[in-house]
Amino acid sequence: GENVEQHPSTLSVQEGDSAVIKCTYSDSASNYFPWYKQELGKGPQLIIDIRSNVGEKKDQRIAVTLNKTAKHFSLHITETQPEDSAVYFCAASIGTGTASKLTFGTGTRLQVTL
Amino acid sequence: DAMVIQNPRYQVTQFGKPVTLSCSQTLNHNVMYWYQQKSSQAPKLLFHYYDKDFNNEADTPDNFQSRRPNTSFCFLDIRSPGLGDAAMYLCATSRRGRWDEQFFGPGTRLTVL
Repeated sequence: GENVEQHPSTLSVQEGDSAVIKCTYSDSASNYFPWYKQELGKGPQLIIDIRSNVGEKKDQRIAVTLNKTAKHFSLHITETQPEDSAVYFCAASIGTGTASKLTFGTGTRLQVTL
Repeated sequence: DAMVIQNPRYQVTQFGKPVTLSCSQTLNHNVMYWYQQKSSQAPKLLFHYYDKDFNNEADTPDNFQSRRPNTSFCFLDIRSPGLGDAAMYLCATSRRGRWDEQFFGPGTRLTVL
């Protein structure tokens, strides 16, 4: 089955700095790569996603890049703010046509300090 | 607001005592998923429904069952909870699947005494 590795496990940045989280996946058939933000006591919330036919996607301060050849994808957050502090999960999915079965990375705890 | 609702938010049960967790959605999505998330770990897919079609993950223990009586509701039944089943249980929905966004509920935290 699919295996997703995520690094780093913890990341501390100062407010205004950039944060980068990296993930690798094992199954070349994976074709959908979402990123989720999970705050304490809440369910994960999608922040950005990318499909295998796209190399980069940006939404305001958040961007994701995908390298299919190397089987890795990264999340970039610029101009970090204290409210960005949370656990971030990458995921990979082999869409079956009837369901998106996500395999999650192990998570990155991001702490944005003032 | 359309959303995914899970009840209860916190559930305490005794070792071996059956427990049922509930999920409802107002999104009218076709697919509903159940994930188990243990402390400081990633969510792990247990099973999902596409409409009434049930799809079990190969490594989901037999102790875990699910029911989906209609589009809006889905239940997770744990027949004989063990201490290792203590976790956050997350329900999620998506429209057709494949590349569609999954919307997660807030989760039910299960404690087994």
